[in-house]
Amino acid sequence: DIQMTQSPSSLSASVGDKVTITCRASQSIMHYLSWYQQKAGEAPKLLIYAASSLQSGVPSRFSGSGSGTDFTLTISNLQPEDFATYYCQQSYSTRLTFGPGTKVDIK
Amino acid sequence: EVQLVESGGGSVQPGGSLRLSCAASGFTFSTYWMQWVRQAPGKGLVWVSRINSDASDTSYADSVEGRFTISRDNAKNTLYLQMNSLRAEDTAVYFCVRIAVSGSADYWGQGTLVTVSS
Repeated sequence: DIQMTQSPSSLSASVGDKVTITCRASQSIMHYLSWYQQKAGEAPKLLIYAASSLQSGVPSRFSGSGSGTDFTLTISNLQPEDFATYYCQQSYSTRLTFGPGTKVDIK
Repeated sequence: EVQLVESGGGSVQPGGSLRLSCAASGFTFSTYWMQWVRQAPGKGLVWVSRINSDASDTSYADSVEGRFTISRDNAKNTLYLQMNSLRAEDTAVYFCVRIAVSGSADYWGQGTLVTVSS
């Protein structure tokens, strides 16, 4: 199975900050990478698909980049509603895998 | 509006069985691949299983292979997960998830809690 790692596992930031989360795959997954946001007690929400495409309705302060094995989620101008846990997921393999998550909390 | 509504969760003893259902509406269910994703209390997301649109192909995580069976009834717009030989480590919220053409999980149900305990 393709293993996904994320760094950092958690971070503290302030409203207005720029935040960068990294996701790495154990082998090339081309551009088959998605990012999700999950708030406590809620289902995850799709933010980015195909590594860099913004899901409809998601604010433009969210962006994704990367291909192959290394990917990045960037949140520019962090807003209060962005404090949550973020997960990456690969869909290159038929056996899908998620990263362990990155928790973004208030500094 | 796309809706995915899970049901069938509950408490069961180790070794027992449960069948989860997911009622889909607001889209052409028969044309989408679907999956189950679970989340143990306080833990991350874990992919469980996926099924293609006509149910001709399925895939499972190693941790559930041979114990869980994913299926679907396109006439009833319903996805299922039959869970047998349940273990304590299967305790989790189980989400029904639609797979978009891109491979991403674009719609999620609210989840149903499965608790395996003696």
